[in-house]
Amino acid sequence: GQQVMQIPQYQHVQEGEDFTTYCNSSTTLSNIQWYKQRPGGHPVFLIQLVKSGEVKKQKRLTFQFGEAKKNSSLHITATQTTDVGTYFCAGPNNNDMRFGAGTRLTVKP
Amino acid sequence: KAGVTQTPRYLIKTRGQQVTLSCSPISGHRSVSWYQQTPGQGLQFLFEYFSETQRNKGNFPGRFSGRQFSNSRSEMNVSTLELGDSALYLCASSFGSGTYNEQFFGPGTRLTVL
Repeated sequence: GQQVMQIPQYQHVQEGEDFTTYCNSSTTLSNIQWYKQRPGGHPVFLIQLVKSGEVKKQKRLTFQFGEAKKNSSLHITATQTTDVGTYFCAGPNNNDMRFGAGTRLTVKP
Repeated sequence: KAGVTQTPRYLIKTRGQQVTLSCSPISGHRSVSWYQQTPGQGLQFLFEYFSETQRNKGNFPGRFSGRQFSNSRSEMNVSTLELGDSALYLCASSFGSGTYNEQFFGPGTRLTVL
């Protein structure tokens, strides 16, 4: 079945540094979703991208969908300690969503 | 609106036993999906139910089964538990079925198999 590959697996940054996680698929995606899971918590929906080349922003978070709709990225500007957690992308597989392995972000104050 | 609720939150079982987990979706949501989360395998899709019908199924053995009731509440059953079934089991509800729907996750049931 369709899989989305996510890199890196881990990222440790100093507070104030930027952070980016990437999601790649071998097939064209109709849409992609991003979720955040805080330590000890459950995944929470962040955003959905549908259009080729789409860019959406949420405060310090910038989400991009590639022109070919085979990749996506999440960029956080000037990380804060509240950004810690695991960020997942999810892409469709037939009629359900399959999640990437996630990127675990830790932030050193 | 109340969020997705899952019961029980924690469960300890021994190998060979069976277990039933429950999920109550957000009011008005008709789709419930189940996921297994482990440190090594990440979030693995188990199955999705919509209007009491299983719509999709992941690559799990037949020991994993589920059902959905007319009020959209869902249960997941695992029979003949194995040590490897220890995981956090998450359910997620959405208004409709299909990949364009935002999923709302419950807090999960932490299952430990001894």
